[in-house]
Amino acid sequence: ETGVTQTPRHLVMGMTNKKSLKCEQHLGHNAMYWYKQSAKKPLELMFVYNFKEQTENNSVPSRFSPECPNSSHLFLHLHTLQPEDSALYLCASSPPSARTDTQYFGPGTRLTVL
Amino acid sequence: DQQVKQNSPSLSVQEGRISILNCDYTNSMFDYFLWYKKYPAEGPTFLISISSIKDKNEDGRFTVFLNKSAKHLSLHIVPSQPGDSAVYFCAASAEGNQFYFGTGTSLTVIP
Repeated sequence: ETGVTQTPRHLVMGMTNKKSLKCEQHLGHNAMYWYKQSAKKPLELMFVYNFKEQTENNSVPSRFSPECPNSSHLFLHLHTLQPEDSALYLCASSPPSARTDTQYFGPGTRLTVL
Repeated sequence: DQQVKQNSPSLSVQEGRISILNCDYTNSMFDYFLWYKKYPAEGPTFLISISSIKDKNEDGRFTVFLNKSAKHLSLHIVPSQPGDSAVYFCAASAEGNQFYFGTGTSLTVIP
């Protein structure tokens, strides 16, 4: 399998649940990203990992906890979310020098928080 | 505050005509710009990019124009085809690997 994959594709959870989103890339990239896309809003960068080290955390609430065990896998652990956290969560990867290389996106996980 | 803006949420164009999608930005430090295309139930896919040292980049039916003084870029698709119907995002970068995205423009090409 090639490209960037995300599981699950859809997730419905209650506010007290704990769940995790998974992202996997088979492109040999060293940078991975989590984005949030809410309706009528731009893609919001949440976290950036370069060579498994977190290099960006854009003021994301602690109920979102990323984990990058290796360059190919990225997780987003979810705990006590709010209904306003319902959105499409996109994972992306890129080579380290992403200034002139593009980011490759997964299909996203559609999250609904009840 | 939104640094990249796409003020037209939607656009409809007849097949064979030109589609022009616009994007404005506020940060004068942005020096690299990209357009992504997104179909429903799929992630965005890279379409075309431009560096600030250029004012035009062309790839087949797709051309991106950059006007640095106006902080404006546009994507031209000609001729438009029904398969081009999608949401188009512009993105900009100043340094590092952080990109700022617009809200997207939904293009519908009418056969």
